[in-house]
Amino acid sequence: DVKVTQSSRYLVKRTGEKVFLECVQDMDHENMFWYRQDPGLGLRLIYFSYDVKMKEKGDIPEGYSVSREKKERFSLILESASTNQTSMYLCASSPSIIRGQVHFGNGTRLTVT
Amino acid sequence: QKEVEQNSGPLSVPEGAIASLNCTYSDRGSQSFFWYRQYSGKSPELIMSIYSNGDKEDGRFTAQLNKASQYVSLLIRDSQPSDSATYLCAAGGYQKVTFGTGTKLQVIP
Repeated sequence: DVKVTQSSRYLVKRTGEKVFLECVQDMDHENMFWYRQDPGLGLRLIYFSYDVKMKEKGDIPEGYSVSREKKERFSLILESASTNQTSMYLCASSPSIIRGQVHFGNGTRLTVT
Repeated sequence: QKEVEQNSGPLSVPEGAIASLNCTYSDRGSQSFFWYRQYSGKSPELIMSIYSNGDKEDGRFTAQLNKASQYVSLLIRDSQPSDSATYLCAAGGYQKVTFGTGTKLQVIP
């Protein structure tokens, strides 16, 4: 079974803090993704990566950056957290987008106060 | 225009009935299509994938794809209260997957 592990289930941070969300997958998948999910807006893609050290902007990259130094690990960074970044963050991985399934981690509920 | 559109619901069906969930997509380059189920407070889990026109059945679930109409559907037969969840439709193209906002299904005992 594919396992996508997010480091924290719940996180509370203050406005202006730098926040790191970590994600590790154990299936040697090429593709990794960060989504945020908000009521009424669904899943929105923040960034994705199709290879080590490669990254592509998704639909809402503003205020975020990512790092992929190793194939199994994909980190999301909030450089200066703001209250409008309070959300559920979901990491996912996939072997191939054309034929492959996207597997999600359990999510991190981030609250910025 | 949203790339993947779904009716947000809620869709209410009695236990034992067929639930029909629909989805349209705008990108004709999409090549793979998925249905995910998401229980409240949980992450989405894949329940069906479909890649070619026609029907694909798996137990009580049937996914249908019509690329000419850019339409995907999910039928759930003999609906159970445990099927109550939000169902997300997704379309996969080059490098990324785009999700709809989901349809909330309520199965009434």
